[in-house]
Amino acid sequence: NAGVTQTPKFQVLKTGQSMTLQCAQDMNHEYMSWYRQDPGMGLRLIHYSVGAGITDQGEVPNGYNVSRSTTEDFPLRLLSAAPSQTSVYFCASRARTGNQPQHFGDGTRLSIL
Amino acid sequence: AQKVTQAQTEISVVEKEDVTLDCVYETRDTTYYLFWYKQPPSGELVFLIRRNSFDEQNEISGRYSWNFQKSTSSFNFTITASQVVDSAVYFCALSELNRDDKIIFGKGTRLHILP
Repeated sequence: NAGVTQTPKFQVLKTGQSMTLQCAQDMNHEYMSWYRQDPGMGLRLIHYSVGAGITDQGEVPNGYNVSRSTTEDFPLRLLSAAPSQTSVYFCASRARTGNQPQHFGDGTRLSIL
Repeated sequence: AQKVTQAQTEISVVEKEDVTLDCVYETRDTTYYLFWYKQPPSGELVFLIRRNSFDEQNEISGRYSWNFQKSTSSFNFTITASQVVDSAVYFCALSELNRDDKIIFGKGTRLHILP
């Protein structure tokens, strides 16, 4: 049972480059979310999805795009990376029903030079 | 708007001491979830507890205990007989009930347990 898998674990980009952070879960969870973690800021919600074909903005969506074409995958796209997007990114998923809490991936550490 | 405040940015205690991490929250929702997560130096997020707003019973799990007081909008976390392995950043968090895909996190408290 892999849970929530994020790739890559580390990435360095130059300003203006594009990049897709991958998130996949094998638990058939309907709900998936992306957060970013900056020093001293805790985690902040970027985008979330309640099912395939449905996405919505969180607290800090600017500069990021998402899509949810399948239940399993929820990629996060940076179309033109900026140094302010240097952060650790966490993907999470949970089932729509039941009492299980959200599962988090191990994170992707992204540096924009 | 929802907000979680962890006033203690960093705490250091000597091993075996008890330590309490404070958490105060704001929400207009009448029903909600409260959470605590641990982030060890390795960086992953470890789920510790989720509490429903209508369940104010305190909870104990081994050396960990949680005190939920709706009257003061607080959800404090106590570690009894702390150990070096408890050294981590601890996050308190809040979400609407049944919407813990949209969690509002506090800024975290970095806990150092000194040997």
